[in-house]
Amino acid sequence: NAGVTQTPKFRVLKTGQSMTLLCAQDMNHEYMYWYRQDPGMGLRLIHYSVGEGTTAKGEVPDGYNVSRLKKQNFLLGLESAAPSQTSVYFCAGAGVPGAHWETQYFGPGTRLLVL
Amino acid sequence: AQSVSQHNHHVILSEAASLELGCNYSYGGTVNLFWYVQYPGQHLQLLLKYFSGDPLVKGIKGFEAEFIKSKFSFNLRKPSVQWSDTAEYFCAVSPRRNTGKLIFGQGTTLQVKP
Repeated sequence: NAGVTQTPKFRVLKTGQSMTLLCAQDMNHEYMYWYRQDPGMGLRLIHYSVGEGTTAKGEVPDGYNVSRLKKQNFLLGLESAAPSQTSVYFCAGAGVPGAHWETQYFGPGTRLLVL
Repeated sequence: AQSVSQHNHHVILSEAASLELGCNYSYGGTVNLFWYVQYPGQHLQLLLKYFSGDPLVKGIKGFEAEFIKSKFSFNLRKPSVQWSDTAEYFCAVSPRRNTGKLIFGQGTTLQVKP
């Protein structure tokens, strides 16, 4: 199993551009999450999903949209990138059949720079 | 509002020194508690977790943590650190039955000198 994977690994955007970050998992996670990591602030939840076709806002949702059309994929979109969205983005999955559902497994991260 | 506070932002130790990283949370209900570690250039990995039972939990690589409910604390310990423990450590809390959302502390950077 590849676990939780993220593409791309690194991206540079200009202010106002749009992009989509892809999170894919092959562990049959029911729950998926998008976080951003900024120095001195830990990780903050952007959006999450408790199942295919469902999404919900987290702590810092503004400027982001998400979709979970398929159980294994969770997409994070930036419609009009701003420098304040320069960050490292982590995706996580939870809810593995036969294991405790509240342990989250993280992807390798996407480093985004908005100029 | 729910929050997690890690007392130390940057810790520098020599090899073989003992480690204790503090973590306190504010939430009145039942919680699940986690420590994650992020080695340089890598993603977060689960170090240990507490859901219920014995409040002293053991994790990977010789780490342990103690849940003290009365103090709302979940401090991480290791008797003797190694250079390879250099990393950033995150405490996280998940209110029970709350769709598993994690609330993270700010993180503690541990630097171990050889």
